[in-house]
Amino acid sequence: ETGVTQTPRHLVMGMTNKKSLKCEQHLGHNAMYWYKQSAKKPLELMFVYNFKEQTENNSVPSRFSPECPNSSHLFLHLHTLQPEDSALYLCASSPSGTSGGEEQFFGPGTRLTVL
Amino acid sequence: GQNIDQPTEMTATEGAIVQINCTYQTSGFNGLFWYQQHAGEAPTFLSYNVLDGLEEKGRFSSFLSRSKGYSYLLLKELQMKDSASYLCAVRDSNYQLIWGAGTKLIIKP
Repeated sequence: ETGVTQTPRHLVMGMTNKKSLKCEQHLGHNAMYWYKQSAKKPLELMFVYNFKEQTENNSVPSRFSPECPNSSHLFLHLHTLQPEDSALYLCASSPSGTSGGEEQFFGPGTRLTVL
Repeated sequence: GQNIDQPTEMTATEGAIVQINCTYQTSGFNGLFWYQQHAGEAPTFLSYNVLDGLEEKGRFSSFLSRSKGYSYLLLKELQMKDSASYLCAVRDSNYQLIWGAGTKLIIKP
C-alpha cells in the first residue's frame, strides 16, 4: 500500500463510451500526476496538478480531460477513445512537485482496454 | 530531445549480483531515481542520486556519474522476489521526471 488508490483497476470500453478514472491520495501531498504506461515504453507524463492547479499538459489529446477538485482527488475523464489509448494509467502524488529530491508515490493503476 | 536508455531485459541467478545500467541525455539535471515495479503493481521508490558516487541501501546500491550521464543499480544476494522491472528516471530542469522504458529482471533458481 502506497497511500494512493485508483479505481477501477480494470476498464473495458468502446470507442463511443464515456468513463472516468479516479485517484485518491491519503498522504497529504499537494502535487498529483497522471501517467500513461504502454508495454515496453517509458512512462508518459500526461498531466500535473499542484495545489489543484494544472501546471503541465504534455500535448495530451482532448479526448482525455483531467479534473482536480481538491488536493486529495484526481480524475481522468475519457471520451471517444481510440484502440491505441489502451494502456495502464497510473496516478502518482508527491509532497510539492517542486523539490528535486522528492519521490513520487504511485497508485496501482487502471488497466484500460479500448475496443 | 531527452532520452533515457536502459537494457530491455536481463537474467540473473538467485544469490548472485546484477548491475542494471542507465544512460541519460536530458535538458538539465536535478537528480536520478530508480523505481521497482512488479508485474501488475505500482512502481515503488528505490533510490535517489543527485551527487556523483555510490548510495547504498541494504542489498541495493545506486551509482551516479553526472559527467558521463550514467547511473547503475546494483542488486546483491538476489532473491526470487527481486524479479521485477527496474525504472530509471531523471528529473530535468523543469523538475519533471523523464523515464526510461524499464529493465525487466528475471531471476532464475
